[in-house]
Amino acid sequence: IQLTQSPSSLSASIGDRVIITCRASQAITTFLAWYQQKPGKAPNLLIHAASTLQNGVPSRFSGSGSGTDFTLTISSLQPEDFATYYCQQLNNYPITFGQGTRLEIK
Amino acid sequence: EVQLLESGGDLVQPGGSLRLSCAASGLPFSTSPMSWFRQPPGKGLEWVSTISAGASSTYYADSVKGRFTISRDNSKNTLYLQMNSLGVEDTAIYYCARYYYISGAQRLFDYWGQGTLVTVSS
Repeated sequence: IQLTQSPSSLSASIGDRVIITCRASQAITTFLAWYQQKPGKAPNLLIHAASTLQNGVPSRFSGSGSGTDFTLTISSLQPEDFATYYCQQLNNYPITFGQGTRLEIK
Repeated sequence: EVQLLESGGDLVQPGGSLRLSCAASGLPFSTSPMSWFRQPPGKGLEWVSTISAGASSTYYADSVKGRFTISRDNSKNTLYLQMNSLGVEDTAIYYCARYYYISGAQRLFDYWGQGTLVTVSS
């Protein structure tokens, strides 16, 4: 299953609302996760089951979607949110990732 | 506190072998499926392999099938990845992660190690 994220990169300002999309090549119900990764660090799980916020993740992060189309929304960008974001499908093997969205400061 | 600590990464020549380890603490290792992922420098994430809690089932990416072997020792709370016939395309940071999988209803990788670097070069 191929996952296509858009955009590949994004420039935004503190306080902006940001939406990242992830489209699957076939239906994956809601077996989709979102990760944040900062340089030199391991991925950090933000959202699982398409819309469930992982424990400890700020509520400004939210996810939605099912089937083939999914979104990650950051309601009000904070300085610590500038990072790369990946979607991941866990519907079946091989588990796959989107190519990533690099979120930069404008 | 959950900790996953990878080790074993090194510089190895093409065609060589390497075994990675992932020592787990703070989680119910013997009942947790586990996985390996990798990330080439400056590139995206790739799933490599998954092993069930009791090691009865294993899954591999096509890119490593037949060359890599995932295993675990539940008495030592340790996950392994034996890598043979390494090529330059295997150069990456390798991460282990816990796969939280409950009857298919919940599927997530909630804990990740810090990674270990494997460099394949002559």
